[in-house]
Amino acid sequence: DQQVKQNSPSLSVQEGRISILNCDYTNSMFDYFLWYKKYPAEGPTFLISISSIKDKNEDGRFTVFLNKSAKHLSLHIVPSQPGDSAVYFCAATPRAGGTSYGKLTFGQGTILTVHP
Amino acid sequence: KAGVTQTPRYLIKTRGQQVTLSCSPISGHRSVSWYQQTPGQGLQFLFEYFSETQRNKGNFPGRFSGRQFSNSRSEMNVSTLELGDSALYLCASSQIPTGTYNEQFFGPGTRLTVL
Repeated sequence: DQQVKQNSPSLSVQEGRISILNCDYTNSMFDYFLWYKKYPAEGPTFLISISSIKDKNEDGRFTVFLNKSAKHLSLHIVPSQPGDSAVYFCAATPRAGGTSYGKLTFGQGTILTVHP
Repeated sequence: KAGVTQTPRYLIKTRGQQVTLSCSPISGHRSVSWYQQTPGQGLQFLFEYFSETQRNKGNFPGRFSGRQFSNSRSEMNVSTLELGDSALYLCASSQIPTGTYNEQFFGPGTRLTVL
């Protein structure tokens, strides 16, 4: 049962353009959502997060949008740079203090390639 | 501040053997989580330890076990290795302040190959 899904295994964009990575979830108990970036031979690195009480969070070139009714979130990278080429994972976790607190449920990942 | 360290970085074992992987969290972090990454399944949660106690466990067989020591360092053990256990095993550490979610910081992982 894949509770967090990233339906696009890969995405290719031109440098300077927008990259949009999508993520869907099924568990309504998820309360906090995160995006991680992973380079080969390294562990995932935290990128940006959003709480379910918000619908948008912005940090520099990265913006995460959350649509709770559709159980959908997306990561926008503008402008995209070649150094952004990596695997991007979305992850979700239930409300703090619950029995599953601390457990991240990850999507399958999307390979982003930004061409110069 | 040093990051999360994992040892060894690479390991080759044969079917039926057992293996122990080690994780040292960031100084001051008391929670350690373990994840398995495979090409087909992505990152899957194995278990989480806090104050030497297992708080959460994922859907893995009993061959996968772990523990945490008083200095927050953690080990995970896989017994009777199977070919399907070949994966990147990632450890993540976090603090647990009351009432808020904590970002998890990941180590570089241990690449386990089972022949």
